[in-house]
Amino acid sequence: DAKTTQPNSMESNEEEPVHLPCNHSTISGTDYIHWYRQLPSQGPEYVIHGLTSNVNNRMASLAIAEDRKSSTLILHRATLRDAAVYYCILRAGGTSYGKLTFGQGTILTVHP
Amino acid sequence: DGGITQSPKYLFRKEGQNVTLSCEQNLNHDAMYWYRQDPGQGLRLIYYSQIVNDFQKGDIAEGYSVSREKKESFPLTVTSAQKNPTAFYLCASSMSLAAYNEQFFGPGTRLTVL
Repeated sequence: DAKTTQPNSMESNEEEPVHLPCNHSTISGTDYIHWYRQLPSQGPEYVIHGLTSNVNNRMASLAIAEDRKSSTLILHRATLRDAAVYYCILRAGGTSYGKLTFGQGTILTVHP
Repeated sequence: DGGITQSPKYLFRKEGQNVTLSCEQNLNHDAMYWYRQDPGQGLRLIYYSQIVNDFQKGDIAEGYSVSREKKESFPLTVTSAQKNPTAFYLCASSMSLAAYNEQFFGPGTRLTVL
C-alpha cells in the first residue's frame, strides 16, 4: 500500500480556515485519497475522498495537486467540534480490494 | 436512524477465555470490516467480508475468527490464541469493497484482558 505522510500536529483558532497537508509521493494512478477523522474513544468518521479533481462536501474541501503527490484537506471555518485526529489514507482502486491503512494522522487542536 | 451498532461498549476477559464482539448494521451494506486500534496508533485490519458467507483475513487475523451468516451481522470472536487482545475494536461497513466507497464506523468496543 502506498504511504502517506502527515504532520504530527497542527493548531488553529476557532472560525479560521485550516489546511491539513498530506504527502503521498508513491501514489498510483488508481489510488483514491480518503480522509477520516477520529475523536478520542470513538470510531473514525468519513470526511471526504477524491481521485483527481478537487472535491467539496458539507464538511470540507479536498484539494489535490496536479501530479497527485500531495493533497490538502480544507476546513473552511474551524469549530471546537473539529478538534480530532485526521487521517489521510490511500485506497487502491482497480479490481483488487484496497483496504484502508491508517497511519499516525494529524492531531488538530482548535483554540476558542 | 441507519448506522452501525457494536456491543458491548466495554468488555473484560480473563486470560484463556474466548469472547465475541457484536457488530450490526442496518445500512444494507454488503461489505463489513473489523479493525483493531492500540493506544496512539492507527487502525489495523483484522478481517473483512465482501458478502454474506464470505470473509477474508486482513493484516492481523491470527487469534481471531469471524462469521457472516446474515448481511446485517459480522461478529468477531477473540480467541485465547490472541496473545495481546487488550485493544479498542472497531467495526465498519461500506456499500462494497470498491475504493471509492466510504466506510461507516461503529462506536467501538474496548476489550481489556485481566
